[in-house]
Amino acid sequence: SYVLTQPPSVSVAPGVTATIPCGGNNIGDKSVHWFQQRPGQAPVLVIYYDTDRPSGIPERFSASNSGNTATLTISRVEAGDEADYYCQVWDNTSDHWVFGGGTKLTVL
Amino acid sequence: QVQLVQSGAEVKKPGASVKVSCKASQYTFIDYYLHWVRQAPGQGLEWMGWINPESGRTNYAQKFQGRVSMTGDTSISTAYMELRSLTSDDTAVYYCTRAGADIPMDVWGRGTTVIVSS
Repeated sequence: SYVLTQPPSVSVAPGVTATIPCGGNNIGDKSVHWFQQRPGQAPVLVIYYDTDRPSGIPERFSASNSGNTATLTISRVEAGDEADYYCQVWDNTSDHWVFGGGTKLTVL
Repeated sequence: QVQLVQSGAEVKKPGASVKVSCKASQYTFIDYYLHWVRQAPGQGLEWMGWINPESGRTNYAQKFQGRVSMTGDTSISTAYMELRSLTSDDTAVYYCTRAGADIPMDVWGRGTTVIVSS
């Protein structure tokens, strides 16, 4: 089955840019979705189809996808961005959806 | 606004079954697939499967095949997820989320906590 690999944690200071990678075999050939999950809350879609932002998601959230790595970028990080972030793809081989293991973003 | 309202927390004994409901409101129920995702304590998100409410067709993750059933009642815009032969490893928060052709998993329920304990 298809595997998505994320680092367990990323730490940044407020105001700088955070990047969260998501690795997968030829993930650039797939559409990647990103979710933010704050403690005790349901996940929230922040990026879909590689680069699109749902309404209400700040422009500070962007993403890219190429080769074997997709990347979520959060510019001018704020304390409120502290959360777990998950990447997700649809694996056409198994017709199953797959989540990465999640990355905890800590704002120092 | 568009909502998915889930049923309340459950406590079950090992070997039992649990059935969680997810009621959709403020959108056309049959226009979106309903996915179920679970999260064990301190763990990540795990996709369980989906149901097409219009056709009733389902697609389950390999891990849950034979133990899960996803159904829907279009008359009351409600989807159900039943998980059988529960073990302590099934202790988790279970979420329903809708997915459309243009945008995936944009609306989530608040989650239903299921605790399996003897």
